[in-house]
Amino acid sequence: KQEVTQIPAALSVPEGENLVLNCSFTDSAIYNLQWFRQDPGKGLTSLLLIQSSQREQTSGRLNASLDKSSGRSTLYIAASQPGDSATYLCAVRPGANNLFFGTGTRLTVIP
Amino acid sequence: GAGVSQSPSNKVTEKGKDVELRCDPISGHTALYWYRQSLGQGLEFLIYFQGNSAPDKSGLPSDRFSAERTGGSVSTLTIQRTQQEDSAVYLCASSLALGTTNYGYTFGSGTRLTVV
Repeated sequence: KQEVTQIPAALSVPEGENLVLNCSFTDSAIYNLQWFRQDPGKGLTSLLLIQSSQREQTSGRLNASLDKSSGRSTLYIAASQPGDSATYLCAVRPGANNLFFGTGTRLTVIP
Repeated sequence: GAGVSQSPSNKVTEKGKDVELRCDPISGHTALYWYRQSLGQGLEFLIYFQGNSAPDKSGLPSDRFSAERTGGSVSTLTIQRTQQEDSAVYLCASSLALGTTNYGYTFGSGTRLTVV
């Protein structure tokens, strides 16, 4: 069974710092990997989607990489802002029927 | 619609009552998923629809939970005889079917269910 782990579980950084969130998964047979953010009491907002054939995707200050063979993905956030404070979830899609979610990293950016 | 719409956004119900949660996916998204997120917990998969059929119901926690989808669009998650442990945020997501170019998931804002 696919297992997805995110490290660290929580992270606090001062505003302006660059940071990296890590995601690892046990089964490399995936179609894609998706990064989401979740604000307290809210649903999930999709940030980046990386297909299995891709190595990275970028959107604004966010860059996500995928190394399928080693079962790893990273989400890089440049020049962090207080508005980036949220829980970040990675999820892998092994097939049509499900996403396997990581445990999440709760990020706090301190003004 | 432009996004995945869930209703109601909040529901408070008495223990033992039945509730219905609604999800209206993005137009053209044939795949629809229900997840549950209890306070401080991760996302728990409940059920998946491809069109109107549900190939995977493995996540439904008990026979009090059921879901249906009609017309390949709107889905309803029904919880009968609600219990306090059913209190959670119920999230719905939709996606294009496997094989299309972009089949990331789009989530709704969720329904916060509180059983008192």
